[in-house]
Amino acid sequence: AQSVTQLDSHVSVSEGTPVLLRCNYSSSYSPSLFWYVQHPNKGLQLLLKYTSAATLVKGINGFEAEFKKSETSFHLTKPSAHMSDAAEYFCVVSVYGSGNTPLVFGKGTRLSVIA
Amino acid sequence: NAGVTQTPKFRVLKTGQSMTLLCAQDMNHEYMYWYRQDPGMGLRLIHYSVGEGTTAKGEVPDGYNVSRLKKQNFLLGLESAAPSQTSVYFCASSYDGGSTYEQYFGPGTRLTVT
Repeated sequence: AQSVTQLDSHVSVSEGTPVLLRCNYSSSYSPSLFWYVQHPNKGLQLLLKYTSAATLVKGINGFEAEFKKSETSFHLTKPSAHMSDAAEYFCVVSVYGSGNTPLVFGKGTRLSVIA
Repeated sequence: NAGVTQTPKFRVLKTGQSMTLLCAQDMNHEYMYWYRQDPGMGLRLIHYSVGEGTTAKGEVPDGYNVSRLKKQNFLLGLESAAPSQTSVYFCASSYDGGSTYEQYFGPGTRLTVT
C-alpha cells in the first residue's frame, strides 16, 4: 500500500523568501507523485506531477519539485514567495501499474505568506 | 468546457434527512471520484467509478451510496444524514485510472448536518 506524509501542517514565510514544503512517500511500486494547491473556498488545482521521467519537475507559478528515490521524498519549492501563493498544498501519490488505484492524499500543508 | 461541476454548492440537512449530490463532467473522462475533506484530514476517497455502470468503495464508504448511470454523471447519495457527515465534498474525474493521469476537481459542496 502507498502512503504520503506531509511533514509540516503549517509553513509561514515572508514575501520574497524561498518556500519549502516537505513530502515523504511510501510505495511498494514505482510511484507517480503530484502536488495540488487549494486556495480558500476553491477546488484543487494541479501544480505539477512526476511520472518517472525527469526527477526535477517544473510546475505552474514558479513551483518545482524534485523526486529523490533514495530519500523517498518529493519536496515542493519556490525561490520567491508571493502573496498569492497563500493556500493549502497537498502531496499525492499514485502507484504505477496498480490499475484502478485512486490517488492517496497527504493531510495538507497550509502556506502563509507575510507581507 | 465547464470541466467538473457540482450541484448544489451548499446544503444544510437535519439528521435523518436524505439528499443527492450531483457531479457532472464534460471531458469524456472514464474515471470519476467522490472525496470528503475535513480539517486536518486531507481528502479521503468515499467511492469511485471506473466507467459507466460501475462503482467501487474507497476509504470511507459507510453511509454513502453512488451511481454512475451515465458516463458524464456521478451521483453521491446520503440516505440518512448524520452530523459526522458534515464536510466539504469534492468530485473529481480523470481520463484513465493509470497513475500518470491527473484528476480534475470540481468546486466542492459544503454540507452541514444539524
